[in-house]
Amino acid sequence: DVQLVESGGGLVQPGGSLRLSCAASGFTFSNYDFHWVRQTAGKPLEWVSGIGRGLDTYYADSVKGRFTISREDAKNSLYLQMNILRAEDTAVYYCAREIMVAGFFDAVDMWGQGTMVTVSS
Amino acid sequence: EVVLTQSPGTLSLSPGERATLSCRASQSVRSNYLAWYQQKPGQAPRLLIYGASSRATGIPDRFSGSGSGTDFTLIIGRLEPEDFAVYYCQQYGNTPPVTFGGGTKVEIK
Repeated sequence: DVQLVESGGGLVQPGGSLRLSCAASGFTFSNYDFHWVRQTAGKPLEWVSGIGRGLDTYYADSVKGRFTISREDAKNSLYLQMNILRAEDTAVYYCAREIMVAGFFDAVDMWGQGTMVTVSS
Repeated sequence: EVVLTQSPGTLSLSPGERATLSCRASQSVRSNYLAWYQQKPGQAPRLLIYGASSRATGIPDRFSGSGSGTDFTLIIGRLEPEDFAVYYCQQYGNTPPVTFGGGTKVEIK
């Protein structure tokens, strides 16, 4: 099956850390650029971070300096290391694959099912 | 940062009717790099349209996108029961960051 499967979400205290993983299958992972997009319940989507095939990385201002995106092509995996977590980081985090038409930054044609991150004491 | 404003917030229509959704950008979107997504409760978004007017793989032709610059439109030609959902526009031309609109909910009247 062609799919993205996130893991690593959970409950963490403010100031804590969490590492999200996204396992890809059914396609050639190294040929694609990827992003993390989050969504708080009932709210719009919010782009968090992106990584290209050349390991170039980009971050939303709200997470810059706290979150680190990385990829491991040999393991068909995408990661998001989240440090100094805040209550406002509480959301479902989606792993997302670009459609690869426009070049890096592009529309997303594949999404994982999402993993829930809750930051609360 | 490009701000996307979607209207209306909620659209109440009956199956078989035509839906017209608007997405307005705070500045011109480079190369009309604008996408539309459909999201149902508890599900991830689904890509419908990219590049303002190109249908994604497997998307029925009752979905069509148009527009350029700052004004974009998604039209659902005849609403099917499975089309009632929330729709988001996204711009990826003036980046970073990628930005999304606030969404339009299409509900059954």
